[in-house]
Amino acid sequence: GAVVSQHPSWVICKSGTSVKIECRSLDFQATTMFWYRQFPKQSLMLMATSNEGSKATYEQGVEKDKFLINHASLTLSTLTVTSAHPEDSSFYICSAEPQGDNEQFFGPGTRLTVL
Amino acid sequence: GDSVTQMEGPVTLSEEAFLTINCTYTATGYPSLFWYVQYPGEGLQLLLKATKADDKGSNKGFEATYRKETTSFHLEKGSVQVSDSAVYFCALDNDYKLSFGAGTTVTVRA
Repeated sequence: GAVVSQHPSWVICKSGTSVKIECRSLDFQATTMFWYRQFPKQSLMLMATSNEGSKATYEQGVEKDKFLINHASLTLSTLTVTSAHPEDSSFYICSAEPQGDNEQFFGPGTRLTVL
Repeated sequence: GDSVTQMEGPVTLSEEAFLTINCTYTATGYPSLFWYVQYPGEGLQLLLKATKADDKGSNKGFEATYRKETTSFHLEKGSVQVSDSAVYFCALDNDYKLSFGAGTTVTVRA
């Protein structure tokens, strides 16, 4: 149980385009989902916390207009990287927290490469 | 702010060897401490945790003790197996936010 999926697992796009990444909790409902970014050989950095039905809370230094987060249901959150540029290339990881539990379950990550 | 520092890898061991991965932290208050493991192609999984000083977390032969006096949470396993090859992340939870170390890649050879 407690499986989280991400789609796509990897994506390559041209500079200036937008890319949407989906995060789904497959066998539980998640009131809260989190989005992280990981650079090579570095730790995961929390980008934003997403609560179902409300606006996401972004960490300091993360541009909310650049990284659009939508948590439309208790099993789905999306991260859209708008007008992507090469510096946005990274590994994006989501996690989901079941209702009534504060343990996070992680997705396998999405590798974004912007050319 | 909160931060986690863990030993750099990669670490390569032979089967049945002893594994230690050092982790120290900086945080205000009384954070909970975690070790996560990421197997190839999979998401991070919680390996063990400790919520207060002197607590010992254990799972799958791994152990870590919350040492407040040294602000450490070192991960140990007495006899590793090839299946323990993975990336290990130390993390703390303060105010419901996780802060991670950079990860340590462990490879166990048969």
